[in-house]
Amino acid sequence: AQTVTQSQPEMSVQEAETVTLSCTYDTSESDYYLFWYKQPPSRQMILVIRQEAYKQQNATENRFSVNFQKAAKSFSLKISDSQLGDAAMYFCARYGGATNKLIFGTGTLLAVQP
Amino acid sequence: SQTIHQWPATLVQPVGSPLSLECTVEGTSNPNLYWYRQAAGRGLQLLFYSVGIGQISSEVPQNLSASRPQDRQFILSSKKLLLSDSGFYLCAWSIFSGGSTDTQYFGPGTRLTVL
Repeated sequence: AQTVTQSQPEMSVQEAETVTLSCTYDTSESDYYLFWYKQPPSRQMILVIRQEAYKQQNATENRFSVNFQKAAKSFSLKISDSQLGDAAMYFCARYGGATNKLIFGTGTLLAVQP
Repeated sequence: SQTIHQWPATLVQPVGSPLSLECTVEGTSNPNLYWYRQAAGRGLQLLFYSVGIGQISSEVPQNLSASRPQDRQFILSSKKLLLSDSGFYLCAWSIFSGGSTDTQYFGPGTRLTVL
């Protein structure tokens, strides 16, 4: 089965600190994309960062970066200098061309403590 | 730039009533369009996707249907709502890029409550 697993249902971080959210996935494809989406209380899904599987370099977007380990099928999200506005549900997702689907994990609820 | 709209934002409907949710995309042509449902505290479930006008693929057998009457319009419908249809409905779009479909961008969603 093509699955995405987020093993941390909830996480908490102090403001200005760094937190890492975990994600593992299962795929038989060599070409695919990985994403992290943020869902704040408004519930709109907002793209945080994306990674192409063929790229070895880890993607970075301002305070957000990923640790992509293709052999281990691991795709963690690091949030640096956490801000109160980072509090949200974070979903990891994988897209593969063969399946033509975006498969989501079950999410990690991140709380940011002032 | 591209924008995606969904309406209504919130809807409360009685069991057995019809449903029509609308999604429109601006600023792009021939997008791929998607309907997802998210139950409370759960992940997203893909319901339908469309790669062009009149082309609909269904992922989950259910009480719902989808249509794409125009290039940038995607409609989710039901003839008779069930209690289990309650949830948060998200529309998304993407464009075909290179050899595979690319990043999906989501609308603001519709919160549906069936009583």
